[in-house]
Amino acid sequence: GENVEQHPSTLSVQEGDSAVIKCTYSDSASNYFPWYKQELGKRPQLIIDIRSNVGEKKDQRIAVTLNKTAKHFSLHITETQPEDSAVYFCAASRGTAGNKLTFGGGTRVLVKP
Amino acid sequence: GAVVSQHPSWVICKSGTSVKIECRSLDFQATTMFWYRQFPKQSLMLMATSNEGSKATYEQGVEKDKFLINHASLTLSTLTVTSAHPEDSSFYICSARDLREPSYEQYFGPGTRLTVT
Repeated sequence: GENVEQHPSTLSVQEGDSAVIKCTYSDSASNYFPWYKQELGKRPQLIIDIRSNVGEKKDQRIAVTLNKTAKHFSLHITETQPEDSAVYFCAASRGTAGNKLTFGGGTRVLVKP
Repeated sequence: GAVVSQHPSWVICKSGTSVKIECRSLDFQATTMFWYRQFPKQSLMLMATSNEGSKATYEQGVEKDKFLINHASLTLSTLTVTSAHPEDSSFYICSARDLREPSYEQYFGPGTRLTVT
């Protein structure tokens, strides 16, 4: 089955700096890669996703890049703000109707004011 | 976007009892729903795929006789934790995909915090 690894497990950045989180996946058939932000006790919130037919996607301060050949994808947050502090998860799936998600281990991001 | 609800949002039960958690898709039909479990400071782990009108598909290592899943309608899946023990205490989250949408986005319920004493 799919295996997703995520690094780093914790990330501390100064407000205004950029944050980068990296994930690798094992299943070459995976074609859907979402990123989630989760606050304590809450449901995961989709912040951006990318399909395998696209190499990069951007939404304001957030961007995701995908390297299918190397089987890795990254989340980039620019101009970080204190409210970006949360746990971030990457995930991968085959994107079909039964598209179960395999999650990475998570990254705890702390943005220091 | 689509909305998924869960009930209850939290529950405390005694060891040995059973607890039922409901997952509903409020504004769309879901032939498939997913159940995840999340222990404190850990990631979401898929427990099973719930299929409307048929048996659930369990992930390796998940006891199907302990975690009973029923998907009796296109908008409701239930997870019953039988003979609960303290090690079953966790955050249980369901998700579903709205097949009317071209995206692959899954919509998550708000989660159910289970504490077994």
